[in-house]
Amino acid sequence: EDKVVQSPLSLVVHEGDTVTLNCSYEVTNFRSLLWYKQEKKAPTFLFMLTSSGIEKKSGRLSSILDKKELFSILNITATQTGDSAVYLCAVHTGNQFYFGTGTSLTVIP
Amino acid sequence: NAGVTQTPKFQVLKTGQSMTLQCAQDMNHEYMSWYRQDPGMGLRLIHYSVGAGITDQGEVPNGYNVSRSTTEDFPLRLLSAAPSQTSVYFCASSQDRGVPEAFFGQGTRLTVV
Repeated sequence: EDKVVQSPLSLVVHEGDTVTLNCSYEVTNFRSLLWYKQEKKAPTFLFMLTSSGIEKKSGRLSSILDKKELFSILNITATQTGDSAVYLCAVHTGNQFYFGTGTSLTVIP
Repeated sequence: NAGVTQTPKFQVLKTGQSMTLQCAQDMNHEYMSWYRQDPGMGLRLIHYSVGAGITDQGEVPNGYNVSRSTTEDFPLRLLSAAPSQTSVYFCASSQDRGVPEAFFGQGTRLTVV
């Protein structure tokens, strides 16, 4: 059975802290791994990763994929209150997407 | 620049009623999909479509029907609503199955009483 597992389930940090969110997966026919940020409503796309070891970066956010160990991490440095959200990891297998349950991040001023 | 539009935003149904959740996209995307999001369960794929006239089942298709008569529209039908279908429903689209970056609609919060 294909599955995606995210950890931790929730996290509370202070502004300025650095956080690491984890996503592990077991799927057949892996094509890519995607990270989304979900605030109050619709998830918004952050990164897509297809190759191991190549870091994707956007401002204070970065992500990397390890296809041998079947996981990805999402790092957020110098966190801000606007980073508070649920972060979703999804694996694309060609026709289907499998989502993890998400990590709820709360950044306290 | 509408993107993916879902209607309605909120709906309350009685058990046994049927309804259709609407989804439309204006980006000429081939791939469209429906998810439900429940607490502690993440997003689960209900049905998807890789193009007009083609649909297929996802992880949790029971109790739902879809059709794709045009590229733009992908309605989700609840045949006979049950309390277990209380959830938040998201429609998403992406360029095609090979380009998985998905754009999501704003969601429909459905309550079945």
